[in-house]
Amino acid sequence: EAQVTQNPRYLITVTGKKLTVTCSQNMNHEYMSWYRQDPGLGLRQIYYSMNVEVTDKGDVPEGYKVSRKEKRNFPLILESPSPNQTSLYFCASSLSGTPNTEAFFGQGTRLTVV
Amino acid sequence: AQKVTQAQTEISVVEKEDVTLDCVYETRDTTYYLFWYKQPPSGELVFLIRRNSFDEQNEISGRYSWNFQKSTSSFNFTITASQVVDSAVYFCALSEANNAGNNRKLIWGLGTSLAVNP
Repeated sequence: EAQVTQNPRYLITVTGKKLTVTCSQNMNHEYMSWYRQDPGLGLRQIYYSMNVEVTDKGDVPEGYKVSRKEKRNFPLILESPSPNQTSLYFCASSLSGTPNTEAFFGQGTRLTVV
Repeated sequence: AQKVTQAQTEISVVEKEDVTLDCVYETRDTTYYLFWYKQPPSGELVFLIRRNSFDEQNEISGRYSWNFQKSTSSFNFTITASQVVDSAVYFCALSEANNAGNNRKLIWGLGTSLAVNP
């Protein structure tokens, strides 16, 4: 089954404790990205990756890091989480970076930073 | 600047009613793509439809239909004979490319929360 898998689904952590949210897709997609969803602000892009070893900032990259060492994986790293990073996070993948391609989303990771 | 507006924050209907969710967009691109996604209470984002800017034909898929009108920059979504399972947040999104043409970032509306009551 074609899917994007995020882990964990729920995470409560403390300020400053490094964490990683994993994302994996089994569709051999080139393009992957991370979004955060906040009430009143909608979904905003954090980082994206056009292919292996090619990543770039989205609209709200501060406080986040990503890596793309393999095509299927695109982890999101919070080196020193802060309460303002409490949010619902989505990983997405699509066949390519062209605008017409459908984005497949993971199930979301609800992160709470206390 | 690209922008997507979903003016209806919340809609509540009774089962079997028809309901239309509005989406108005702004873009300077001549080629663009519009999407609708559904976010049920479980939280995932489910793709519903994609429409390119050159295809103004309306589309119907079962109880769902979409009306794309370039003249008014709108891409409205109608659910006919709504059901309780249609209760969800619905997002309209616009796909743009960055200056290099290689970031298919989605510009999202804020969503319309639809409650279908029995």
